[in-house]
Amino acid sequence: GQQLNQSPQSMFIQEGEDVSMNCTSSSIFNTWLWYKQDPGEGPVLLIALYKAGELTSNGRLTAQFGITRKDSFLNISASIPSDVGIYFCAGQSLIQGAQKLVFGQGTRLTINP
Amino acid sequence: DAGITQSPRHKVTETGTPVTLRCHQTENHRYMYWYRQDPGHGLRLIHYSYGVKDTDKGEVSDGYSVSRSKTEDFLLTLESATSSQTSVYFCAISEEAHEQYFGPGTRLTVT
Repeated sequence: GQQLNQSPQSMFIQEGEDVSMNCTSSSIFNTWLWYKQDPGEGPVLLIALYKAGELTSNGRLTAQFGITRKDSFLNISASIPSDVGIYFCAGQSLIQGAQKLVFGQGTRLTINP
Repeated sequence: DAGITQSPRHKVTETGTPVTLRCHQTENHRYMYWYRQDPGHGLRLIHYSYGVKDTDKGEVSDGYSVSRSKTEDFLLTLESATSSQTSVYFCAISEEAHEQYFGPGTRLTVT
């Protein structure tokens, strides 16, 4: 089935460092989404991108929708301990009004204090 | 937090037995979804519903069926559970063209 290629799979960083992760697809999506998942919980939406080339920020998070509509990246600046978790990208298609999401494999972020 | 509950939260069952997972919402959202999450695969869509009694298949629907007899409940059934269906199952809800809110998940182990 369709899948997004997300990298890196894991990151081990020091507190205060910046983080960058990206997602690529062989298919075009009209919307790109970035989610964060904490242990034992469901994913929570961080940022949604709706237009090719769009650059959107949410606090220390910045994400961009690639101009080809086949890729996206997420940056986290000045990481803090609560940033620990798994980050997922997702490409969205609308079918009968329902959002069909295709997820990347996830990037597991670990922060050393 | 969106009003989504999943039951049970954990279940261990034997190969060949039927299993039903329940998703319940209090938000009156039209769309409901079932995903499974496995290491190395992220989340994959199993089935979704776009209204009462209206459902459609996702990318990994083999071995699963769903039913939605009322707006608030979306049931996922494994008719005869197999070890390959050991996974964490997430339900999600959304309104049209709005973000999906995910439930807390059900961890299913098939022995």
